[in-house]
Amino acid sequence: DAGVIQSPRHEVTEMGQEVTLRCKPISGHNSLFWYRQTMMRGLELLIYFNNNVPIDDSGMPEDRFSAKMPNASFSTLKIQPSEPRDSAVYFCASRDSNTEAFFGQGTRLTVV
Amino acid sequence: EDQVTQSPEALRLQEGESSSLNCSYTVSGLRGLFWYRQDPGKGPEFLFTLYSAGEEKEKERLKATLTKKESFLHITAPKPEDSATYLCAVQENNDMRFGAGTRLTVKP
Repeated sequence: DAGVIQSPRHEVTEMGQEVTLRCKPISGHNSLFWYRQTMMRGLELLIYFNNNVPIDDSGMPEDRFSAKMPNASFSTLKIQPSEPRDSAVYFCASRDSNTEAFFGQGTRLTVV
Repeated sequence: EDQVTQSPEALRLQEGESSSLNCSYTVSGLRGLFWYRQDPGKGPEFLFTLYSAGEEKEKERLKATLTKKESFLHITAPKPEDSATYLCAVQENNDMRFGAGTRLTVKP
């Protein structure tokens, strides 16, 4: 397996624009996590899915953030409208039941 | 209140100088504690999972231990290539929440 695949690797956008981050989890994994990493706040859990169902989205900072998992092989994290304070590295991770999670390479988002 | 607290924030060691990193947690029903290593510009890479107090895991120069309140990552005779940020995470339900990490630098 190629591991968790995230796209794009880098995204630069203007304030107010919509941003969509994409994630393909490892085949067979039933849990998927979205994290945001900044120097100030470290690695924050935004939302996680179990069997494609959102379980806990309490970490999503505002209504501007939304996440979907339409099937077991794809998830998106959308920010609309984006703001400069959303600039961070966004990671997707997946795992099988209660085993360790595997992370993607991340998407570095810069909102100017 | 933070569920996971790591210390120190940063640690500088000479090559061969052994030390320990700490991860304390406050979750009531721990289902797993995970250690990860993160290199700059990359995603976290899995090292160990610990499930119950008293458990220990080893891999090369690293050894992870777990008590009811904290975990330690012991680094024996570190080398410059061990320089990285070490993250711990706890699982209480199906989630996985991380501490802020310890940034380790090993000087030759």
